[in-house]
Amino acid sequence: DAGVIQSPRHEVTEMGQEVTLRCKPISGHNSLFWYRQTMMRGLELLIYFNNNVPIDDSGMPEDRFSAKMPNASFSTLKIQPSEPRDSAVYFCASSRDRSNQPQHFGDGTRLSIL
Amino acid sequence: ELKVEQNPLFLSMQEGKNYTIYCNYSTTSDRLYWYRQDPGKSLESLFVLLSNGAVKQEGRLMASLDTKARLSTLHITAAVHDLSATYFCAPRGTASKLTFGTGTRLQVTL
Repeated sequence: DAGVIQSPRHEVTEMGQEVTLRCKPISGHNSLFWYRQTMMRGLELLIYFNNNVPIDDSGMPEDRFSAKMPNASFSTLKIQPSEPRDSAVYFCASSRDRSNQPQHFGDGTRLSIL
Repeated sequence: ELKVEQNPLFLSMQEGKNYTIYCNYSTTSDRLYWYRQDPGKSLESLFVLLSNGAVKQEGRLMASLDTKARLSTLHITAAVHDLSATYFCAPRGTASKLTFGTGTRLQVTL
């Protein structure tokens, strides 16, 4: 089975540019999570979708961040405008709701804002 | 708000030795997950602990859960170099949200 697929793997861009990160969850999984990992703050949950609906976006840092899940097989996390402090590794994870199975993580997108 | 504390943050141990990583959390949780992360890599699920007293073992790693004490442990037996990684515990809070601990960076030396 294909795992969670994220793209791009690496992104380097200049401050002020729009950044879009993409995620394809595991087929059959109905919960999707976006995380950010930094040395200073560790692994933080940004937003969580269930059945394509945003359930909790309390971790989204500010209005510059937005996330969508237009269908069960695709989600995006957008940063506009980007700032150097947004540099981090962004992970997408998915799971099947009401199961005992863990969240499965993608390989992450390493984002550098210059 | 669920808070998670792992101890120690960094652990250097010799091959063949035993050690335990501790995970304390602040509020009631019905299940807890342990993950492993190698440098520059993603997170890999190790254990799912579903109830009080649950114990899971895989190779040289054994995890346990005490929901009354809000404590989980990850015990390493006769460590080998391949176990070098960062280990995270993550109790589940409201809905399906996991709160990750700070991680314990384990370095096993020859």
